[in-house]
Amino acid sequence: AQSVAQPEDQVNVAEGNPLTVKCTYSVSGNPYLFWYVQYPNRGLQFLLKYITGDNLVKGSYGFEAEFNKSQTSFHLKKPSALVSDSALYFCAVREGRGGYQKVTFGTGTKLQVIP
Amino acid sequence: KAGVTQTPRYLIKTRGQQVTLSCSPISGHRSVSWYQQTPGQGLQFLFEYFSETQRNKGNFPGRFSGRQFSNSRSEMNVSTLELGDSALYLCASRPQGAGVDTQYFGPGTRLTVL
Repeated sequence: AQSVAQPEDQVNVAEGNPLTVKCTYSVSGNPYLFWYVQYPNRGLQFLLKYITGDNLVKGSYGFEAEFNKSQTSFHLKKPSALVSDSALYFCAVREGRGGYQKVTFGTGTKLQVIP
Repeated sequence: KAGVTQTPRYLIKTRGQQVTLSCSPISGHRSVSWYQQTPGQGLQFLFEYFSETQRNKGNFPGRFSGRQFSNSRSEMNVSTLELGDSALYLCASRPQGAGVDTQYFGPGTRLTVL
């Protein structure tokens, strides 16, 4: 089975500093990886995905993620953190094909951006 | 277009009771998936329905069941509630033929079991 791991329950970063939220994956075959964000009292929102191609993937709200095959990692990054980025972030991997796809999520990392 | 709606938003039940949660997908979406979110486990996939048929299933006990109606609205039922069932239950819908990366999530139903 495919899986992802988020080793940090919480990440604290000062506003304006670069941020990184870590994710490692364990998949057989080519990985289809995603990042989602959950703001307080709001639904989960898709941020970005990696399927194939460039190892640096750009997404919404200025976020990007770096895919590293040798380290089996897919870390989420942003050059300059905003207080409004404070939220819960989930790394995820797609399993299955066609109409039988499903998403397996990590346990989530709470990002706290300190003013 | 209205987003995914879930009712009720909050629910308090006691152990042994059963509960039914409802999800209305975005108009035109025929796939509805359900997830359980808890602080320690993150989001765990429960099941997916498409055209009134369960298409995919996660690793949850039989106390968790669901169904989908002809208008694509879906319900999830949990019988004989346990304290560990306290969680945020999210549903998501996606258009036919779209990948899971294009699923849209509702705000969730917060279930508390006392």
